[in-house]
Amino acid sequence: ILNVEQSPQSLHVQEGDSTNFTCSFPSSNFYALHWYRWETAKSPEALFVMTLNGDEKKKGRISATLNTKEGYSYLYIKGSQPEDSATYLCAACNNAGNMLTFGGGTRLMVKP
Amino acid sequence: KAGVTQTPRYLIKTRGQQVTLSCSPISGHRSVSWYQQTPGQGLQFLFEYFSETQRNKGNFPGRFSGRQFSNSRSEMNVSTLELGDSALYLCASSYRVSTDTQYFGPGTRLTVL
Repeated sequence: ILNVEQSPQSLHVQEGDSTNFTCSFPSSNFYALHWYRWETAKSPEALFVMTLNGDEKKKGRISATLNTKEGYSYLYIKGSQPEDSATYLCAACNNAGNMLTFGGGTRLMVKP
Repeated sequence: KAGVTQTPRYLIKTRGQQVTLSCSPISGHRSVSWYQQTPGQGLQFLFEYFSETQRNKGNFPGRFSGRQFSNSRSEMNVSTLELGDSALYLCASSYRVSTDTQYFGPGTRLTVL
C-alpha cells in the first residue's frame, strides 16, 4: 500500500481568493494520480486522472499539475467560491494497477 | 446512465452480528472497489473485484470479505461486528481502476452498538 499524503489538512479562504494544495506520493512504480472532490452528504466526484509527468488538466476554475519524478501533484482553485467548499482527495495507483490509495484529504472552506 | 447504487443506505447492528452490503455498479463497469471511511480517517481501501475475481485486498482482518457476481454486482460481508467497524462504506465502479474515473455510490452508513 502506497503512502499518499496531502497538505494542508484544512484551509479557510475568503471568496475570491485563489488557493492550492499538495498531494505527495511515492515516485517509484507510479502509474496514475486521481483527484476527487467530496462535498458533505454527497459521493466523491472525480475531477482529474493524470498519468504523465508534466500533465496539466483544467476544469473550469480548477486545475492540476503532476510531477511523477519528484512525486507530487498540485491542485489549484482560482477565485474560490463558497460552492467550492469540500474535501479534496487525491489517490495514487502504482503499476500493479488495481487499487487506489487515498490521501487524508484537504478540507477547504470558502467564506462568502 | 444510472449511477452506482448501494443498499442499504443505513444499518444499525450490534456487536457480534454480521452484515452484508450490496453495490450495483454502472452498467458496463467490471471493476468494483470497496472503501471504509471512519471519522478522522481518509478512505481506506478494502478490496477490488474485476470479473468476479478479487485482485487486491487492503489491510483489513479476515472478518471483511466480499464477492462479485457475473453481472458485476458486488457484496461485502463483515462477520462478528466490532464497535470499530462503525463507518461509512463506499463502493466505486470503473472500467479499470488505474486510469479510469472511479464513480462512487452514496455509501452505506453502518453503526455498530
